[in-house]
Amino acid sequence: EAQVTQNPRYLITVTGKKLTVTCSQNMNHEYMSWYRQDPGLGLRQIYYSMNVEVTDKGDVPEGYKVSRKEKRNFPLILESPSPNQTSLYFCASSRLNPNTDTQYFGPGTRLTVL
Amino acid sequence: SQQGEEDPQALSIQEGENATMNCSYKTSINNLQWYRQNSGRGLVHLILIRSNEREKHSGRLRVTLDTSKKSSSLLITASRAADTASYFCATDAPGNQFYFGTGTSLTVIP
Repeated sequence: EAQVTQNPRYLITVTGKKLTVTCSQNMNHEYMSWYRQDPGLGLRQIYYSMNVEVTDKGDVPEGYKVSRKEKRNFPLILESPSPNQTSLYFCASSRLNPNTDTQYFGPGTRLTVL
Repeated sequence: SQQGEEDPQALSIQEGENATMNCSYKTSINNLQWYRQNSGRGLVHLILIRSNEREKHSGRLRVTLDTSKKSSSLLITASRAADTASYFCATDAPGNQFYFGTGTSLTVIP
């Protein structure tokens, strides 16, 4: 089954404790992206990747890191989480360009930073 | 930011009625897409309309695009309780960024 998976689905952590949210897709997609969703703000893009070893900042990259060492994986790293990073996070992938190709979304990771 | 804005923020209708939601954006685009999100879940792609198209249909969905007004509308005809969800417009952006709007929350009452 074609899908985007994220882990963990739920995470409660404390300020400053490094964490990684994994994202994996099995569709051989070139493009992968991370979004955060906050009430009243819709989805905002954090980082995206056009291919292996190619990553770029989205609208709200501060406080986040990503890597794309393999085509299928695109982990999101919070080196020192803060309470303002409490949010619902989504990973997505598309075959090539999301402007012309459908993006497929993971189930989401609900992160709470205390 | 290019982020689009949907209007209304929330909409409640009776089953069988039509639901219309609007999206406005700020700068010129190549394509505009609509996505749907069931409560707290990942988004699902509904339809894409290109900048040179004015109207597009897919099942009970009808999308219009007015590039002169920088706006789009999504019409869902003969709504069903299962259409209850949030609906987002999305547009391309410089480079390969991607912008979503703030969303319209639709409730269809059985």
